[in-house]
Formats: sequence, C-alpha cells, structure tokens
Amino acid sequence: GESVGLHLPTLSVQEGDNSIINCAYSNSASDYFIWYKQESGKGPQFIIDIRSNMDKRQGQRVTVLLNKTVKHLSLQIAATQPGDSAVYFCAENMKGSNYKLTFGKGTLLTVNP
Amino acid sequence: GAVVSQHPSRVICKSGTSVKIECRSLDFQATTMFWYRQFPKKSLMLMATSNEGSKATYEQGVEKDKFLINHASLTLSTLTVTSAHPEDSSFYICSASPRTGGVTDTQYFGPGTRLTVL
Repeated sequence: GESVGLHLPTLSVQEGDNSIINCAYSNSASDYFIWYKQESGKGPQFIIDIRSNMDKRQGQRVTVLLNKTVKHLSLQIAATQPGDSAVYFCAENMKGSNYKLTFGKGTLLTVNP
Repeated sequence: GAVVSQHPSRVICKSGTSVKIECRSLDFQATTMFWYRQFPKKSLMLMATSNEGSKATYEQGVEKDKFLINHASLTLSTLTVTSAHPEDSSFYICSASPRTGGVTDTQYFGPGTRLTVL
C-alpha cells in the first residue's frame, strides 16, 4: 500500500483564513518531502520542500512542518486566496531510491470568497 | 527556471493505434525523467523512470512493451503508448530533476497530456 497518506481528503476555508493540510507517512527511511499543488487539468506545481534534517521551512505564504517522531508533514498556507484552490499532494523520497517519489492521495482545498 | 514541457497537451486516437508523447526539459539537463499516470480524482502513479542513454526502469505491473520509453537526449524523453485501447485513456504526466552533481531531488512536472482512446 501507499506509505504516504493524508488525513483530510477535502478542506474548505474562507478567503483570508489560514489553511493547514496534513500528511502522514510511514516510511522512516524517507529523507526528502515535497508539497505540490495541482490545478484541474494541469501538472503538479512545486510549492515547497523540506529535508529530514529540518523540522520547518518557510516560503512565500507557505510553511512546511516536519515531525519525524510521528511521521507527520503539514503545509500551512497563510491568508488563503481563491487562487489557492487546488488539490495538494505531499510526496516523499526515500534515500537511495533513485529520486523516485511516492505521492499521497491528495487534499482538495476550496477557498470560499 | 526548471520548466518542463509536454506535447501534445491533448490527443484523441482510435483503438489499436500508437501515440507518442514528448517530454522536454527546457532550461536544464535531466539525466533522469519520470513518467506518471493519473486517473480522475486520483493521485499520481509512477509508471517508469527514464534514463538517458540506457533502458527505462518500469514499475511493477507496467507493461514495458506497451509503454515504450526513449530518453533520446538530456532534454527529451518520449513515451509511446502502443496499440492503445480505451482503458489506456488517462492523464500522462512527466517530470524531471535538474541534477547538478549534488543531491537535488526536486522534480518539476510537465503540464500533462490527456489521452483519449476511442
């Protein structure tokens, strides 16, 4: 089965609120994690990544948190905008796997105006 | 930077014909590219790893004779769906990693190709 999964398949928020999308992984050998955003009919778009030697990384309006103790990854989006509406996937890469990524099931984020 | 393109974006073909999809890294070289398949409202499923100058590595359950992969150069990989059937209809997406000699695992994805087999 999949080693990466998501707690919530859908998330609906109001414009301007902060969004938190969660992801659980089971492979303790994974050392690199990426969040992707996919809009309908398009390819995944890189948002932010984090390596296993870090527990937090910030980008523009986004923050990724990694908790290796409980194998949990989260993506925080500040001041969510309608343009943030999309499916968000977490992906993990296991060291030595020749850069292969394993994707989670995805969370559909809907931003209400 | 790190732009990946795919061509065509959409293709409709008759059952039994073959379809070629191109994946190009536009501003970087990629010794490794990946091909994924995605069904509606589902996650991405890795089909194969395309290696420049060598044979592709297929994931379990993916028929290598049906999904032919050729990594012709450091910027181009092609996926040919041979003798396509309606069950091959799907969204095919490629990705590539700019590898500069260090450990750079970030994969950048193409826009995808919607294949419909009639």
